[in-house]
Amino acid sequence: GNSVTQMEGPVTLSEEAFLTINCTYTATGYPSLFWYVQYPGEGLQLLLKATKADDKGSNKGFEATYRKETTSFHLEKGSVQVSDSAVYFCALKALPDFNKFYFGSGTKLNVKP
Amino acid sequence: GAVVSQHPSRVICKSGTSVKIECRSLDFQATTMFWYRQFPKQSLMLMATSNEGSKATYEQGVEKDKFLINHASLTLSTLTVTSAHPEDSSFYICSARRTDDFYEQYFGPGTRLTVT
Repeated sequence: GNSVTQMEGPVTLSEEAFLTINCTYTATGYPSLFWYVQYPGEGLQLLLKATKADDKGSNKGFEATYRKETTSFHLEKGSVQVSDSAVYFCALKALPDFNKFYFGSGTKLNVKP
Repeated sequence: GAVVSQHPSRVICKSGTSVKIECRSLDFQATTMFWYRQFPKQSLMLMATSNEGSKATYEQGVEKDKFLINHASLTLSTLTVTSAHPEDSSFYICSARRTDDFYEQYFGPGTRLTVT
């Protein structure tokens, strides 16, 4: 079946540190992969996505590369800011139903000044 | 644009009572809305998909008589938890898909339900 596994948090970093949040998946066929971010009190917002192998999604300094060989979609940012503190969710859509998202459990990121 | 709101943000109710949660798309029309449930430190799990003017489609294992979903307009879907029990306490999140964009979903901020 389809599923997403992401690293447990919380992750605590100092400002300007390098961020990696690991995400691996199991899916039927060729999934589309997503990272969503949830700031306190707000809804999930799409951060970036990739729809085929070797695609790199990027937004706001965050990047993730769709690696089919390792079934991974790790989120990275070279220099985090306090304003990046949020919960990050990895997700996929895949056959048999592309209406349906499968989410990871979320990783809380705390960035300290 | 593409803002989804939920009301209330938090609700506490007594066991055996029913509670209604609203999900609204504020600046777009949503033919399809989705309801998710999230337990602490766990994934969002899709409960049901609702299409405007038709019956909701529930995921396996979700009791449709307990979680009543109504999608009466292109901007409003409601989830009613009937005869709530403490095990129904959870975080409920809705999302909406624009009528002109099949691919993306826009999420509400969630509703924290506590049943005492």
